[in-house]
Amino acid sequence: EVQLVESGGGLVQPGGSLRLSCAASGFKFGSYWMHWVRQAPGKGLVWVSRIETDNSGTLYADSVRGRFTTSRDNMKNTLFLQMDSLRAEDTAVYYCAKMNGYGYFDLWGHGSLVTVSS
Amino acid sequence: DVQLTQSPSTLSASVGDRVTITCRASQSITSRLAWYQQKPGKAPKLLIYKASNLESGVPSRFSGSGSGTEFTLTISSLQPDDFATYFCQQYDFDWSFGQGTKVEIK
Repeated sequence: EVQLVESGGGLVQPGGSLRLSCAASGFKFGSYWMHWVRQAPGKGLVWVSRIETDNSGTLYADSVRGRFTTSRDNMKNTLFLQMDSLRAEDTAVYYCAKMNGYGYFDLWGHGSLVTVSS
Repeated sequence: DVQLTQSPSTLSASVGDRVTITCRASQSITSRLAWYQQKPGKAPKLLIYKASNLESGVPSRFSGSGSGTEFTLTISSLQPDDFATYFCQQYDFDWSFGQGTKVEIK
């Protein structure tokens, strides 16, 4: 089955760290750029980061640059988002998404909730 | 950064209605625009890509149009399964989303 499954979310204190994982199956993971998108409770979608087919090409939204790091393990078909120096405003459901060759997202995970609170 | 502005933010409609949602870009994005449907607690689902191309498996009552800075998503005859929130996304200059349009039951 073609799918993306996120894990690793939870409750973390401000200033803390968390690492999200996104396990891919059913397609050739290493051939596609991957993205992270987040959605704060009751709010819209916000693009977070992109990684190219290998770990050399990454891009981040201004709001997370310098605090978040996206990486991937193509041998294990897994995408990661390392989140450091977390703030209350990072509270959101985090989705991983597969980008096809044209630039839009044709497959999304179910999301992982990250709550930053003391 | 390219800003996308959707209107309206909320739309009340009845089953069978024709519904149109607009997405305006702060600069030209040619036709590099997608539309997604999201239901509560679920991941977004791709409906339309390249402004007017219907994703495989999406009902033909959904259609998209536009280019440059103004785009529309139309549902020709609203069905019970269509009550959801709809987002536009541009992929011409990095990636960004509109704020969403919630289609609710009138």
